[in-house]
Amino acid sequence: DTGVSQDPRHKITKRGQNVTFRCDPISEHNRLYWYRQTLGQGPEFLTYFQNEAQLEKSRLLSDRFSAERPKGSFSTLEIQRTEQGDSAMYLCASSLAPQGAFFGQGTRLTVV
Amino acid sequence: AQRVTQPEKLLSVFKGAPVELKCNYSYSGSPELFWYVQYSRQRLQLLLRHISRESIKGFTADLNKGETSFHLKKPFAQEEDSAMYYCAPGEGSQGNLIFGKGTKLSVKP
Repeated sequence: DTGVSQDPRHKITKRGQNVTFRCDPISEHNRLYWYRQTLGQGPEFLTYFQNEAQLEKSRLLSDRFSAERPKGSFSTLEIQRTEQGDSAMYLCASSLAPQGAFFGQGTRLTVV
Repeated sequence: AQRVTQPEKLLSVFKGAPVELKCNYSYSGSPELFWYVQYSRQRLQLLLRHISRESIKGFTADLNKGETSFHLKKPFAQEEDSAMYYCAPGEGSQGNLIFGKGTKLSVKP
């Protein structure tokens, strides 16, 4: 499968714990995006990378969220001190701009 | 500020009827424009992109720069078209790709 893959698919964590998600983009894609989606809403932009550079971070993203893309390959999204409001589907997408982005299956986070 | 508006949360039509899903955007610079579709229990998929001027699954989208709109149309809806549809301007000079809140299309038999 040469599509975008995300790991894990599901994560249940206790409030206050840290979690990290991984995204492996399509190999030749230079852009990588992270989104958050809650039930009945569209994908909410979190951040994006052009190769290894993080070019934009949403103002909605608190300091508890951090993302990296070392060497312009895979990316990780870490949430520190999780809160119940962080429960959502976290989506990763990659693109060879401006061809349009391809999405992974997402990581569903539940904070209990 | 970059913004995309899909005014209809739900659009319900009968099979064979024409469909138009509306999208209006506000974006700095010259964005590329896309429509994405999400079928039940599936990942978000790219449906079509303005730069390709293509027709996918019978859908087309017309860019109106004066009205800053990019409405999605299909002359004859099919039941399998039932899904969530998202309009997304982006990947221009601003780089990021933002999404509308989506329109749920329901095609009844």
